[in-house]
Amino acid sequence: AQKVTQAQTEISVVEKEDVTLDCVYETRDTTYYLFWYKQPPSGELVFLIRRNSFDEQNEISGRYSWNFQKSTSSFNFTITASQVVDSAVYFCALSEADRGSTLGRLYFGRGTQLTVWP
Amino acid sequence: SQTIHQWPATLVQPVGSPLSLECTVEGTSNPNLYWYRQAAGRGLQLLFYSVGIGQISSEVPQNLSASRPQDRQFILSSKKLLLSDSGFYLCAWSLRVSVSGNTIYFGEGSWLTVV
Repeated sequence: AQKVTQAQTEISVVEKEDVTLDCVYETRDTTYYLFWYKQPPSGELVFLIRRNSFDEQNEISGRYSWNFQKSTSSFNFTITASQVVDSAVYFCALSEADRGSTLGRLYFGRGTQLTVWP
Repeated sequence: SQTIHQWPATLVQPVGSPLSLECTVEGTSNPNLYWYRQAAGRGLQLLFYSVGIGQISSEVPQNLSASRPQDRQFILSSKKLLLSDSGFYLCAWSLRVSVSGNTIYFGEGSWLTVV
């Protein structure tokens, strides 16, 4: 069963628009962790944020904000006043409680390609 | 601060040839190390992970292998490449603690094209 769903394959916006990237996850664990990574054209995956299942407070970092809602199993990512440099593929990922054999296993969504036009 | 570096960045290899991708981590000790592959369609797949020297766990059966000859060195190898091995390979590390949810940090990646 798919653990992380990013339904938006591609999104295009014009610079300065706000954009929200959706992420829906599935898990039976009560303890889990959610991540967002950014993959610019260079290919490197850049870590953006990590949240645990006990902390539902929304987080803001500059133009980035994250909305974690356990009731809907969603962890959405909003970029305010988007810029051309935000163009990248964004991945949402889930890590479940350590059961030894699952150490380090991140379940990735298939990513959302965001293109910001000048 | 910790850094991770992998090489080569780009590789074009004929079918049936061997492969060696190398990854090193600096600034930390006893890290967990990982190899991921990103094939067309952007999906990321965990191939191998290691919790210590000589300790390798394989997630997906294939003609690839991994080795960890030193604490901060992780190598991905193949004796004979297949066309289906083409993709973007990412080395990654996380802190060596026993709790889950450690943040995994990725290297720059290596583009492999098998022709």
